[in-house]
Amino acid sequence: EDQVTQSPEALRLQEGESSSLNCSYTVSGLRGLFWYRQDPGKGPEFLFTLYSAGEEKEKERLKATLTKKESFLHITAPKPEDSATYLCAASTGGSYIPTFGRGTSLIVHP
Amino acid sequence: KAGVTQTPRYLIKTRGQQVTLSCSPISGHRSVSWYQQTPGQGLQFLFEYFSETQRNKGNFPGRFSGRQFSNSRSEMNVSTLELGDSALYLCASSWGGFSSYNEQFFGPGTRLTVL
Repeated sequence: EDQVTQSPEALRLQEGESSSLNCSYTVSGLRGLFWYRQDPGKGPEFLFTLYSAGEEKEKERLKATLTKKESFLHITAPKPEDSATYLCAASTGGSYIPTFGRGTSLIVHP
Repeated sequence: KAGVTQTPRYLIKTRGQQVTLSCSPISGHRSVSWYQQTPGQGLQFLFEYFSETQRNKGNFPGRFSGRQFSNSRSEMNVSTLELGDSALYLCASSWGGFSSYNEQFFGPGTRLTVL
């Protein structure tokens, strides 16, 4: 059974304090690893897609990386507006249906 | 470019009733997928429609059904509502669907409360 596990469940940071969120996956034949940001009361907002181990993508203060077993979302010098729940999802070559993790709730204090 | 829209945004129903939710995808997108999000289970896939055909279905009972129209708009129906159906129902659209590994764009969701 495909599984996606995110850690930590919750993370509190001070503004400017860099950190990383983890997404580990056990799926057969990974085809795509997706990161989303979700604000309270809203739908997830697409951030990145990673396709192969070693791939990296950046957007402002966020950088996503992928290995054969996990993905990291690095947040550099976060600001309070980065506070949100970050979701990752893995899509396999079998059904293509993405399996979502439970998310990491990030709070950045000013 | 207008985003994915969902109506209604909030809905309160009682057990045993049925409900229909609507989703309008981004213009040009042919794939619409539906998800249920709850605090306990997280985001769970319901089904995906592409060009009016259901391409994938998640592990939900037959009370959950959907359809897609020729203009790509989609509706989701839940019959005989149960308390456990209370959730945020999210719709997402993409150009080519899951098999193309396109990014999905989510709507704001419909918050369904079953009393």
